[in-house]
Amino acid sequence: NAGVMQNPRHLVRRRGQEARLRCSPMKGHSHVYWYRQLPEEGLKFMVYLQKENIIDESGMPKERFSAEFPKEGPSILRIQQVVRGDSAAYFCASSRDYHSNQPQHFGDGTRLSIL
Amino acid sequence: QQQVKQSPQSLIVQKGGIPIINCAYENTAFDYFPWYQQFPGKGPALLIAIRPDVSEKKEGRFTISFNKSAKQFSLHIMDSQPGDSATYFCAASGNTGKLIFGQGTTLQVKP
Repeated sequence: NAGVMQNPRHLVRRRGQEARLRCSPMKGHSHVYWYRQLPEEGLKFMVYLQKENIIDESGMPKERFSAEFPKEGPSILRIQQVVRGDSAAYFCASSRDYHSNQPQHFGDGTRLSIL
Repeated sequence: QQQVKQSPQSLIVQKGGIPIINCAYENTAFDYFPWYQQFPGKGPALLIAIRPDVSEKKEGRFTISFNKSAKQFSLHIMDSQPGDSATYFCAASGNTGKLIFGQGTTLQVKP
């Protein structure tokens, strides 16, 4: 499967625990975007990364959330000390370049549930 | 100014009908307007996209109409089928690449 791979597909955490979501972009893609989708809502941009660099984190909550895209391995979205309001579907997308004519392809997401 | 407003929220049509979903934006720096289709439990899949230098683009049964002066664009689905039942999202982006999504339209096509 050459598409965007996200894991785990489902993640359950208790309040106060940490959640780690992983995203492997499509082959040949070096640009990764993370979006969050709350129930019955559209997707909201969180962060845009290239290899080893955060380009735009304007959509990231100021506390508890962080993202990385190391030189080797998948991109990671990390949520510390999770709260009930973090329950959502988190989607990763990748593109070949940042230019607006380069389509973003999405993974099937990680559904995060906070008990 | 970063918002994209989408309507209607939900839509029901008979098989063979032509559902139309509308979106409006404010930011004139947006220069790329894709439409995504999402099935339950899946990620959004790119359907069709348009840039503001054309007024219409057609791919198969899907057509985007674009009105630059009104800052509006719409998706038409010709000869709709039950398999088209899904949630549809419009989006817009500028030179940063990040997508600003509309709120989504849930489409049901009845057999």
